[in-house]
Amino acid sequence: KQEVTQIPAALSVPEGENLVLNCSFTDSAIYNLQWFRQDPGKGLTSLLLIQSSQREQTSGRLNASLDKSSGRSTLYIAASQPGDSATYLCAVPPGGYQKVTFGTGTKLQVIP
Amino acid sequence: KAGVTQTPRYLIKTRGQQVTLSCSPISGHRSVSWYQQTPGQGLQFLFEYFSETQRNKGNFPGRFSGRQFSNSRSEMNVSTLELGDSALYLCASSLEGSETQYFGPGTRLLVL
Repeated sequence: KQEVTQIPAALSVPEGENLVLNCSFTDSAIYNLQWFRQDPGKGLTSLLLIQSSQREQTSGRLNASLDKSSGRSTLYIAASQPGDSATYLCAVPPGGYQKVTFGTGTKLQVIP
Repeated sequence: KAGVTQTPRYLIKTRGQQVTLSCSPISGHRSVSWYQQTPGQGLQFLFEYFSETQRNKGNFPGRFSGRQFSNSRSEMNVSTLELGDSALYLCASSLEGSETQYFGPGTRLLVL
């Protein structure tokens, strides 16, 4: 059974800092990994999707990397802004019958 | 294109009642997945429908059921509600062959 863990669970940083969010998964036989953000009380917004054949993906100030062999992915946020405050979730398609297994999430607060 | 829409956005029910939630996918998307999000369990996969057929199912009791119509709209039904069913219910749609899911804003269900 795939298990996905995100560390830290919560993070508070001053505006302008670069930061890294971590995602670890137990079953490396994945074919992609997706990062989402969720604003309080809202649905999820897809940020980046990395295929297993890729090592990283970039979108604006966001960069996600994937290391299947070690079961890890990182989301790098450059020059953080208060608008980046949200919960960030990583998700992988597991084996078996489930569509996607979500991580536990990292709640980010960027302080002006 | 309009995004994924879910109705109602908020719902209050009492134990023992039943509830039906609705999800309209992005136009052209034929896959609809449902998720339950609670503070204790995080995001958990309920089921996925594609072309009116349930394609995948998560580990939830039979009180949770769903269906999909010919226009790809999907409904989720929960019978004999329990207090623990209080959650944010999210649906997501995707194009056939694509792993990228687009989420709706969710329906927040409170069971009293």
